[in-house]
Amino acid sequence: RKEVEQDPGPFNVPEGATVAFNCTYSNSASQSFFWYRQDCRKEPKLLMSVYSSGNEDGRFTAQLNRASQYISLLIRDSKLSDSATYLCVVRPPRSNTGKLIFGQGTTLQVKP
Amino acid sequence: GAVVSQHPSWVICKSGTSVKIECRSLDFQATTMFWYRQFPKQSLMLMATSNEGSKATYEQGVEKDKFLINHASLTLSTLTVTSAHPEDSSFYICSARVIDSAGTGYEQYFGPGTRLTVT
Repeated sequence: RKEVEQDPGPFNVPEGATVAFNCTYSNSASQSFFWYRQDCRKEPKLLMSVYSSGNEDGRFTAQLNRASQYISLLIRDSKLSDSATYLCVVRPPRSNTGKLIFGQGTTLQVKP
Repeated sequence: GAVVSQHPSWVICKSGTSVKIECRSLDFQATTMFWYRQFPKQSLMLMATSNEGSKATYEQGVEKDKFLINHASLTLSTLTVTSAHPEDSSFYICSARVIDSAGTGYEQYFGPGTRLTVT
């Protein structure tokens, strides 16, 4: 089983739609959780950290469910510019180096 | 702040040659940098953790004699792909570890990546 699993998609949605991605992780002792965004042929960029209480940043909402070991990302009112690959990222336990483990990514295509 | 650069951004080389990729932290010092490899439609795979002034820590399955890492200063880490073969063609990305805004953990800032093609 992969340490971090995501549905690769692609998710094709019209502008203005709400879309949600889920991600599961295998190690229940994982420390920290993030969503990164990666555009084609570019480096990943941090979108948001995911906190136990859930957090929101504009149109983006992240949730963490430790009991079920999954993380979600909700995007409201999708824009064309949201088209990208969204990477679920986990910091494993006892990672004093700051090591991260990346999921495969979920591709989002927002259509006009 | 927290800008990481990589050089070159792309390189084409012949099979059997060696290629050096540089990763620099431009406005901060990075005691720890990371090297990743990403094949098309796959996730980033951590290759090694580069520590300033000491040996790199390689992930399982990564050949340390093939992928030489040198972190000689607080702003520069280099990855040398020795005796490159076509299967080494990939997107190589470095990142630098930065203490997060809360001061309780770390974030990683990524370089723009180097696309290596071995013919």
